[in-house]
Amino acid sequence: GAVVSQHPSRVICKSGTSVKIECRSLDFQATTMFWYRQFPKQSLMLMATSNEGSKATYEQGVEKDKFLINHASLTLSTLTVTSAHPEDSSFYICSARVSEHGNTGELFFGEGSRLTVL
Amino acid sequence: KQEVTQIPAALSVPEGENLVLNCSFTDSAIYNLQWFRQDPGKGLTSLLLIQSSQREQTSGRLNASLDKSSGRSTLYIAASQPGDSATYLCAVNTGGFKTIFGAGTRLFVKA
Repeated sequence: GAVVSQHPSRVICKSGTSVKIECRSLDFQATTMFWYRQFPKQSLMLMATSNEGSKATYEQGVEKDKFLINHASLTLSTLTVTSAHPEDSSFYICSARVSEHGNTGELFFGEGSRLTVL
Repeated sequence: KQEVTQIPAALSVPEGENLVLNCSFTDSAIYNLQWFRQDPGKGLTSLLLIQSSQREQTSGRLNASLDKSSGRSTLYIAASQPGDSATYLCAVNTGGFKTIFGAGTRLFVKA
């Protein structure tokens, strides 16, 4: 299957600092990537849809100024958690869809990034 | 609004047993359904993708079925092994870039 790589896998930062997480599609081009947040023992919550060359689409309740998304190329999307606070500590996962027919293809995920804000 | 439910929430079986994980969805207008595996602290690994026009997909010891009319999918795992222990997630693609996930089934296979 297609490979999506996420970096870093773990990051610890101080409250008030910003953290950037990268999501790369290694063997395919992804015009659209997705960012999820997952709390312990819970399912994935879609945060935003990242569109190459345009603004991200955020889900209701997700602060766009808090979670900055940039999708500057067909293989890279970044999520920056700005002015991080302890409540932002979570597991963040990105995904990309492989499709030659719009948005109905198979979804592949990165390895996830564990963010801990002290 | 599409809702995806997985039953059971947790399952513990002895090694070698065949088992079935269930996934139900409320709106039958889907593009595809995908089953994932997630190990603790890891991302999701795609197991099987069933398009809306398909009834089932098989990969090794895994078989996934889809019944759109009844809003159900099952993941069948044959001859379970301790290495199958993980959380299994069902995800429904409703189109428009929306994928709705179930809460998952935590599987533990005892050696």
